[in-house]
Amino acid sequence: DIVMTQSPDSLSVSLGERATIHCKSSQSVLSRSNSLNYLAWYQQKPGQSPKLLISWASTRNSGVPDRFSGSGSGTDFTLTINSLQAEDVAVYYCQQFYNAPITFGQGTRLEIK
Amino acid sequence: EVQLVESGGGLVQPGGSRRLSCEVSGSNFRTYWMSWFRQAPGKGLEWVANIKQDGSEIHYVGSVKGRLTISRDNARSSLHLQMNRLRVDDSAVYYCAKGGGFLVDFWGQGTLLTVS
Repeated sequence: DIVMTQSPDSLSVSLGERATIHCKSSQSVLSRSNSLNYLAWYQQKPGQSPKLLISWASTRNSGVPDRFSGSGSGTDFTLTINSLQAEDVAVYYCQQFYNAPITFGQGTRLEIK
Repeated sequence: EVQLVESGGGLVQPGGSRRLSCEVSGSNFRTYWMSWFRQAPGKGLEWVANIKQDGSEIHYVGSVKGRLTISRDNARSSLHLQMNRLRVDDSAVYYCAKGGGFLVDFWGQGTLLTVS
């Protein structure tokens, strides 16, 4: 199984500042056949179901604000949230969908400082 | 607008059975892979199982193999999870979700299952 590890576990950032979350996979999720990284980021706000933010490591889902961006390749990935807004308070998860079993990082709790 | 509505959760005793369902509307159900995920209270997300559009390919997480069975009814746009020999550590909110292949792009609101 591919183990996903996020850092940090929690993060406190001031409004308008940048938040950065890291995700590392125990093996590469980069496909040699299509050069795509099978890595997604989800946002889960309190009391809600998860919402897809980014797929293929860097492709924003429809309707996701452009202050959210994803980067990285192979085994190391980053989610960056620029100009943090109050509504961005949530737990963020990375997920590999390269193979079964689909696995998630443990989550990063983002709070406002 | 796509909607995924789970049902079937509740309280069940250890060793018991339960069937969860997910009704899908507002989209072409038969074109999607469908998945079940779960989240124990205060914990992270765990993928449980998924099923290909025509049901010809199914995958499970190791901890549920032989106890949980995913199925779908394309004529009724519904997804099911038959859960047998339930354990206390199966207690969680169960979410159904749709997507393409193993990438999930939309989740339902979940149904709470408590095994106690």
